[in-house]
Amino acid sequence: DAGITQSPRHKVTETGTPVTLRCHQTENHRYMYWYRQDPGHGLRLIHYSYGVKDTDKGEVSDGYSVSRSKTEDFLLTLESATSSQTSVYFCAISELVGGDTQYFGPGTRLTVL
Amino acid sequence: AQKVTQAQTEISVVEKEDVTLDCVYETRDTTYYLFWYKQPPSGELVFLIRRNSFDEQNEISGRYSWNFQKSTSSFNFTITASQVVDSAVYFCALSEARPPRGGADGLTFGKGTHLIIQP
Repeated sequence: DAGITQSPRHKVTETGTPVTLRCHQTENHRYMYWYRQDPGHGLRLIHYSYGVKDTDKGEVSDGYSVSRSKTEDFLLTLESATSSQTSVYFCAISELVGGDTQYFGPGTRLTVL
Repeated sequence: AQKVTQAQTEISVVEKEDVTLDCVYETRDTTYYLFWYKQPPSGELVFLIRRNSFDEQNEISGRYSWNFQKSTSSFNFTITASQVVDSAVYFCALSEARPPRGGADGLTFGKGTHLIIQP
């Protein structure tokens, strides 16, 4: 199994509060991704990173920001959480780009009340 | 734009039956990659298979087999002699070989098929 951890695994927060989710990998892979999973939508890409300090937006990036100061860590921040951001968040990593297999972390279940 | 359609929202079969999960995709690229992932009730996403657009050979791995047909833009997944442990949500996904922004790009997922294997 790819060495990917996510923290926290579960979080309940209130509308308007900031939230940061962490993805940590031990594989030294260059590419990292954040997805959200919602019923009826499958998984959708939020942001991705193609190197330290190199990030870009995905399909559903509004309301989210990311940072990557080290190869092993990719942080997802909800600056002011809303109920629509209640979801399961998955981090993924890949060694290469352009069709390489992505391996996923265990997920973080976030509930915004 | 890429799109993956899994028309079967939920399938329920009795153990030992064969079951096929359908996946239809759309892409303008001539080179692309297709994937299947399994999400068991515990929630993690498990990689099953990756196939590139130039390899149309069917693949078999134990009770699992995959049928890739470019002519119909389909990448179907068959489980033979299904077992209760096969109960899960299965996702089909698509990736371009050359990300449009030159940096990277994510997978485009279908909405998933919930497979229920009844004992």
